[in-house]
Amino acid sequence: NAGVTQTPKFQVLKTGQSMTLQCAQDMNHNSMYWYRQDPGMGLRLIYYSASEGTTDKGEVPNGYNVSRLNKREFSLRLESAAPSQTSVYFCASSTGKEQPQHFGDGTRLSIL
Amino acid sequence: QQQVKQSPQSLIVQKGGIPIINCAYENTAFDYFPWYQQFPGKGPALLIAIRPDVSEKKEGRFTISFNKSAKQFSLHIMDSQPGDSATYFCAPGGSGGGADGLTFGKGTHLIIQP
Repeated sequence: NAGVTQTPKFQVLKTGQSMTLQCAQDMNHNSMYWYRQDPGMGLRLIYYSASEGTTDKGEVPNGYNVSRLNKREFSLRLESAAPSQTSVYFCASSTGKEQPQHFGDGTRLSIL
Repeated sequence: QQQVKQSPQSLIVQKGGIPIINCAYENTAFDYFPWYQQFPGKGPALLIAIRPDVSEKKEGRFTISFNKSAKQFSLHIMDSQPGDSATYFCAPGGSGGGADGLTFGKGTHLIIQP
């Protein structure tokens, strides 16, 4: 039972490049989330999906897009990466609409 | 306006001591109050959570105390151990909170000295 799986674990991009961060959960959870974590800022919500087919903006959605591909998968896309998007990105999931129950181990993204 | 205020930012405690971490919130509609524990290089893990119908909950050495009127809840770690050294986050909210209910505190970096 893998829980929440994020790929890749590390990535270095150049400014202006695009990429998609992948997330999958195997717990049949309804809700999925994307957070970013920066030193001294805690975890900030980017987007969340309360159910398959729905997505909503969080605190810091600018520069990102998401896709809830199916119940298992929730991807995060950076269309034109900027240095300010250098961060650790966490995907999470939960049974209902409450706070996350399980987190992945993160994607460490550096944008030069 | 800061919806969630967590304190202290950092804390150093001797082994066996009782670190206390506090979390204050604004939204009176919140009905679920969790704490998360995060080790370096890992994602946060749900540690313990409380509902507003009780004022205290214990799970092993971890205790949450909840003060509804003050809109605060706290994490206490009994008989603390060096392995408890981690960053702790509160995240008050609930199913009806929307994005506001998915906000995390800025974290408390806890060090337990041997």
